Amino acid sequence: GESVGLHLPTLSVQEGDNSIINCAYSNSASDYFIWYKQESGKGPQFIIDIRSNMDKRQGQRVTVLLNKTVKHLSLQIAATQPGDSAVYFCAETSGAAGNKLTFGGGTRVLVKP
Amino acid sequence: NAGVTQTPKFRVLKTGQSMTLLCAQDMNHEYMYWYRQDPGMGLRLIHYSVGEGTTAKGEVPDGYNVSRLKKQNFLLGLESAAPSQTSVYFCASMFGGRDEQYFGPGTRLTVT
Repeated sequence: GESVGLHLPTLSVQEGDNSIINCAYSNSASDYFIWYKQESGKGPQFIIDIRSNMDKRQGQRVTVLLNKTVKHLSLQIAATQPGDSAVYFCAETSGAAGNKLTFGGGTRVLVKP
Repeated sequence: NAGVTQTPKFRVLKTGQSMTLLCAQDMNHEYMYWYRQDPGMGLRLIHYSVGEGTTAKGEVPDGYNVSRLKKQNFLLGLESAAPSQTSVYFCASMFGGRDEQYFGPGTRLTVT
């Protein structure tokens, strides 16, 4: 598959442990945020989203936290599994023309058995 | 549903050659987007469309053109390929409003 970001920050986590991936955003007008997972050789895949009127949202094994005061977003993965190894991107939008998403640079997660 | 599909999956071009990448979606989505992804750069928006017959420039539009003649298709053209356009290209579509974008599997383009 493709090399998705040779210089990405990397988080190494033991299988079964929890993972926390952080993302800072700059646009205070952003009101919708998404986390995507990208496995090698594939397109980004939606994990979870959150709107600015919330500060926490939970999915299956994942939780997204939003701190609008410091413009910070985090993704928590519970009981990390080998299949969670991938690059994770946060994305934000303010709904400006075309509802364009602005993507962060990504974090590579490596799960050690 | 096939979702978002991209054609071709791989392509090698010589400098100065032209080509068209095809994106198709069967979800009746209004919005469609073309991104490029380079190592360490994340996804950058090239062009997008908010509906059939409309197109608009994104963050890195130079050297690319697009067309949205049918709602389900979004074409990305390179008129005169340059080595700087070597990248992985992703297409995405979205129903509308604040919603997730659905991505295709990508096209790896190499320009020599």
